Amino acid sequence: QSALTQPASVSGSPGQSITISCTGTSSDTGGYKYVAWYQQHPGKAPKLIIFGVHNRPSGVSNRFSGSKSGNTASLTISGLQPEDEGDYYCNSYTPTSAGVIFGGGTKLTVL
Amino acid sequence: EVQLVESGGGFVQPGGSLRLSCAASGFTFSRSWMSWVRQAPGKGLEWVANINEDGNEKNYVDSVKGRFTISRDNTKNSLYLQMNSLRVEDTAVFYCARGRIYFDYWGQGALVAVSS
Repeated sequence: QSALTQPASVSGSPGQSITISCTGTSSDTGGYKYVAWYQQHPGKAPKLIIFGVHNRPSGVSNRFSGSKSGNTASLTISGLQPEDEGDYYCNSYTPTSAGVIFGGGTKLTVL
Repeated sequence: EVQLVESGGGFVQPGGSLRLSCAASGFTFSRSWMSWVRQAPGKGLEWVANINEDGNEKNYVDSVKGRFTISRDNTKNSLYLQMNSLRVEDTAVFYCARGRIYFDYWGQGALVAVSS
């Protein structure tokens, strides 16, 4: 099963908003409300920032928001801050092997 | 405080075996699905396997089926990954994570390096 499709990189200036897309198929992102997003800083474990398409875990800034349209999920980060720089991954449930599929990851650079 | 601590990583030759362990604390382990997720050097995340609360349901990514076995011991609050017939392409940091589809807590990772 191929990974979900994310842009390799995005960038923005402090204070701006950016959106990262995550495109799958009707068999994964499009078929279920089980889309999540993770932030990973170099040398660190990933951190869950969005689950169930648009829900934020306790303690995650409301600058992070999620949405989905058709087979494409999106993560929007508003009011960019330098500490937002890092790698972002989406994931979804897939009925293939009753498992989980990740996106290839997007490197966010805060200019 | 939730903690997941992996151990058992290391260097192994192709065809060899390793067993990873993950010690959990700070939550009710026996009521949680658990998963292993790996990340090859410089690459993205890849889900490897998950296991339900009582260990009766296990799922694997196709590339490890028949070679890796996930298990748990709820009396010891521990998760395991037995890895056999290891390949060079299995080289990665392996993370223990809480959850079935979403992973809200992660360990620090254990490096598995497969090389001749």
